[in-house]
Amino acid sequence: DQQVKQNSPSLSVQEGRISILNCDYTNSMFDYFLWYKKYPAEGPTFLISISSIKDKNEDGRFTVFLNKSAKHLSLHIVPSQPGDSAVYFCAASITGGGNKLTFGTGTQLKVEL
Amino acid sequence: KAGVTQTPRYLIKTRGQQVTLSCSPISGHRSVSWYQQTPGQGLQFLFEYFSETQRNKGNFPGRFSGRQFSNSRSEMNVSTLELGDSALYLCASSPQGVATEAFFGQGTRLTVV
Repeated sequence: DQQVKQNSPSLSVQEGRISILNCDYTNSMFDYFLWYKKYPAEGPTFLISISSIKDKNEDGRFTVFLNKSAKHLSLHIVPSQPGDSAVYFCAASITGGGNKLTFGTGTQLKVEL
Repeated sequence: KAGVTQTPRYLIKTRGQQVTLSCSPISGHRSVSWYQQTPGQGLQFLFEYFSETQRNKGNFPGRFSGRQFSNSRSEMNVSTLELGDSALYLCASSPQGVATEAFFGQGTRLTVV
């Protein structure tokens, strides 16, 4: 039972344009969401998070949007840079549930020159 | 401030053997979680320890176990290894007992032959 889904396994974007990565979840108990970036042979690196009391959070080039009614979140990267090429995972957790993260299967982003 | 350290980085074991992986969290972090990453299943939660107590457990067989020491360092053990246990095992540390961003180590690549 995949509670967090990233339906696009890959995405290709031109340098300087916007990258939009999507994530859907099914468990309405999730109330804290995170995005991680992962390079091969390395551990995931935290990018940005959002609590369910917000619908938007920004950090530099990264913005996460949360639509609770649709159980959908998205990560926007503007402008995209070649160094952003990596696998992006969304993850969700439940307040009071400790630090257990439920991850999506990831989206491979390729930013082309 | 040192990051999350996992040892060893690479391991090759034979079916039926057992293995112990080690994780040293970021100084001051009391929560340590373990994840298994495989190409087909993405990142799957194994278990979480907080103040030496297992607080969460994922859907893995009893062959997978762990513990946490008083200095927050953690070990995970896999007994009677199977070929399907070949994976990247990731450790993550978090500062608090509530949902927050987790910081990952580089992982231990386990190959079972």
